[in-house]
Amino acid sequence: GAGVSQTPSNKVTEKGKYVELRCDPISGHTALYWYRQSLGQGPEFLIYFQGTGAADDSGLPNDRFFAVRPEGSVSTLKIQRTERGDSAVYLCASSWGDLGDSEQFFGPGTRLTVL
Amino acid sequence: AQSVTQLGSHVSVSEGALVLLRCNYSSSVPPYLFWYVQYPNQGLQLLLKYTSAATLVKGINGFEAEFKKSETSFHLTKPSAHMSDAAEYFCAVGGGATNKLIFGTGTLLAVQP
Repeated sequence: GAGVSQTPSNKVTEKGKYVELRCDPISGHTALYWYRQSLGQGPEFLIYFQGTGAADDSGLPNDRFFAVRPEGSVSTLKIQRTERGDSAVYLCASSWGDLGDSEQFFGPGTRLTVL
Repeated sequence: AQSVTQLGSHVSVSEGALVLLRCNYSSSVPPYLFWYVQYPNQGLQLLLKYTSAATLVKGINGFEAEFKKSETSFHLTKPSAHMSDAAEYFCAVGGGATNKLIFGTGTLLAVQP
């Protein structure tokens, strides 16, 4: 596709459930980023991949959060034992290079609501 | 460590008036600085970025920003506001060994007719 796509666009789950959020980056982009945006806040960095490996996962809040990118393209963010505080819009971005050389293109986000 | 402070969570201007959105940053490494815009129900879109070349950066839609190291600022301006500029604007900082962006809390710009 032309841009970064994320599925689902909305996800409602119950506290304690497991969820998976998917990101399809722009074709050819080697770097993929996950951020989350809580109401009234700016995006908060979670993790980014360079190819298949996590280059920086310093933003993952705890071990309930995990992300994979097994083939260096699509990525899945996995949240175990969801809590109400996990409710946010989860944003994915991709880029072809580093910050100084390229732009991070953002997807529309997945709105996660934990009841 | 890096951080961004955006002064003013809400800014209102009249159509045709100057737009000034403030951003101050903190960075222990030479920073890369960005302004993103988020229209309602749309994804973040890059307006402009500073990456250690010219200190005055011009972006899309008539916006520009000036990097002032002495003031640790990267304020966003536009000479004449249009109704279509109404959106939320985010300043972000990056740099160093990682590609992550650190965002401010955003400024919601309203444009009055």
